[in-house]
Amino acid sequence: GAGVSQSPSNKVTEKGKDVELRCDPISGHTALYWYRQSLGQGLEFLIYFQGNSAPDKSGLPSDRFSAERTGGSVSTLTIQRTQQEDSAVYLCASSSQGGLYNEQFFGPGTRLTVL
Amino acid sequence: GENVEQHPSTLSVQEGDSAVIKCTYSDSASNYFPWYKQELGKRPQLIIDIRSNVGEKKDQRIAVTLNKTAKHFSLHITETQPEDSAVYFCAASGPDYKLSFGAGTTVTVRA
Repeated sequence: GAGVSQSPSNKVTEKGKDVELRCDPISGHTALYWYRQSLGQGLEFLIYFQGNSAPDKSGLPSDRFSAERTGGSVSTLTIQRTQQEDSAVYLCASSSQGGLYNEQFFGPGTRLTVL
Repeated sequence: GENVEQHPSTLSVQEGDSAVIKCTYSDSASNYFPWYKQELGKRPQLIIDIRSNVGEKKDQRIAVTLNKTAKHFSLHITETQPEDSAVYFCAASGPDYKLSFGAGTTVTVRA
């Protein structure tokens, strides 16, 4: 079946502009995660959605970052007033139940470049 | 929160030799330790995981060991092949489900 998909694959924007990144999880997966991967770094947790529960936003680096998940499926990560330090690959992952012991399947990522 | 450290950052091995990557974690409540492989330009993929009630797990040429007392876990790749060249990430999570990742190890297998 189809895996996790993300769009766009690449996004170049100017400092100060807003951007929206989209994630389509695997059908039926109730848990969805966003991570940020800076060059040469590991994966930084941003936000977690599980079913109808309130999302865990504890990893969002500033109030310029927000995310929503509509209908328990597609998620959009929005970065307002982008800064150069926001440049990174943004990865989305989904899992079947959330919580521990459930493999996270990653999307291909969106490479964001802020000029 | 959880802090995961991973060593070495780069590792070059001769084809056929073994590769070992070590990680330490800080939160004694962590009980799930997956390893992900990320090939150049591709997404991370789970290759093996271990849970806190197990000390060792093996899957063909890869194995993972866990020492909960010392709070460290390791990935062992035997008989390395060129296709093993990639970035490997260790991770840990506990009751709060969030995965904390190490910074990654770039493994290069020399033919």
